[in-house]
Amino acid sequence: SQKIEQNSEALNIQEGKTATLTCNYTNYSPAYLQWYRQDPGRGPVFLLLIRENEKEKRKERLKVTFDTTLKQSLFHITASQPADSATYLCALRKVGGSQGNLIFGKGTKLSVKP
Amino acid sequence: NAGVTQTPKFQVLKTGQSMTLQCAQDMNHNSMYWYRQDPGMGLRLIYYSASEGTTDKGEVPNGYNVSRLNKREFSLRLESAAPSQTSVYFCATTSSGDYNEQFFGPGTRLTVL
Repeated sequence: SQKIEQNSEALNIQEGKTATLTCNYTNYSPAYLQWYRQDPGRGPVFLLLIRENEKEKRKERLKVTFDTTLKQSLFHITASQPADSATYLCALRKVGGSQGNLIFGKGTKLSVKP
Repeated sequence: NAGVTQTPKFQVLKTGQSMTLQCAQDMNHNSMYWYRQDPGMGLRLIYYSASEGTTDKGEVPNGYNVSRLNKREFSLRLESAAPSQTSVYFCATTSSGDYNEQFFGPGTRLTVL
């Protein structure tokens, strides 16, 4: 069956450390993968997109990697801050899938302690 | 610009009642989506509309109907609400193109008793 899994439901780290979140998928051929941030009581907000032919993407303190052999994306937040505490969702679009249609993981709740 | 707006923010229904969730966007996007989000289940697509005048089923369409009223508005209707439809509902939009992000509304929290 097709699955997209975010390995940790929750991740607790100390301020200043690097947070690493994992997204794995099986039986999909993603055209691209996206990462979103969701705060309590709010809708998800787009952070980064990485295409199937890209290995790494960066935006400020955020870095995303994409390994189509391992079928895995890693999302890193360097020099983490308490304000980074939120739930992070990965989402992929299948090759040949309807334009814009995404499959979402269940999310990882990140808590950054001062 | 308001982006994506949803009404109402909260709603409590009794089993068997009907209601319509409204979504409007001022981003001039073609595609619109309705998701539900449940604890431990993540976001699941209910219906989507690739353009004005078209709608298609997503992963969990049973018990729902949609109307793409015009380019701006996409409504979700529950004809006979059931407790299993207790959830948070999100509307989202995206522009045309292969790699575009989705923009989400603030959500509607629905409880069916």
